[in-house]
Amino acid sequence: NAGVTQTPKFQVLKTGQSMTLQCAQDMNHEYMSWYRQDPGMGLRLIHYSVGAGITDQGEVPNGYNVSRSTTEDFPLRLLSAAPSQTSVYFCASSQPTGPSGNTIYFGEGSWLTVV
Amino acid sequence: DAKTTQPPSMDCAEGRAANLPCNHSTISGNEYVYWYRQIHSQGPQYIIHGLKNNETNEMASLIITEDRKSSTLILPHATLRDTAVYYCIVRGYRGTGNQFYFGTGTSLTVIP
Repeated sequence: NAGVTQTPKFQVLKTGQSMTLQCAQDMNHEYMSWYRQDPGMGLRLIHYSVGAGITDQGEVPNGYNVSRSTTEDFPLRLLSAAPSQTSVYFCASSQPTGPSGNTIYFGEGSWLTVV
Repeated sequence: DAKTTQPPSMDCAEGRAANLPCNHSTISGNEYVYWYRQIHSQGPQYIIHGLKNNETNEMASLIITEDRKSSTLILPHATLRDTAVYYCIVRGYRGTGNQFYFGTGTSLTVIP
């Protein structure tokens, strides 16, 4: 059971380039999210999805696009990379287990540097 | 979601109990308290969660005050591998969305 898999693990981009961070989960979870973490900071929510075909914005959505065509995949797109997007990106997934709580599982992170 | 307040850093001697406090004075009745930790920029790892009763699992214990305005995560016998940033999160169940809003957490250093 691989859990949540992110690729690439490391990427260097030039300002203005575009790229997609891939995220896949094999737990058949309905909920998936993307977070970014800047040095010395906590995680901040970028976008999330409650199921295939449904996405919504989090705290810091500007500069990022997402789509959810399948339950397994939730890619994050940077359309025109900026140095301010240099960060570590974490993908997460969970199952809606109801009022008893829902544990989130995180990927290992993608380190992105924009020069 | 209710905001949480945690001390930025703490030290603990190896083998002793580590008690990490968290204030969540604006918590509402259906909001759970979750604890996660992050070791050296890895993906955050789930530790424990609870609503109003104290909880214990193989990793830790969670003590929630009767008024639910604060809680304490207890690592009973801290080891060097417990050095990490610990996040206290309050999350309500709404049936839609599943978003945890992380603060800056407590950086715990276990000292040999």
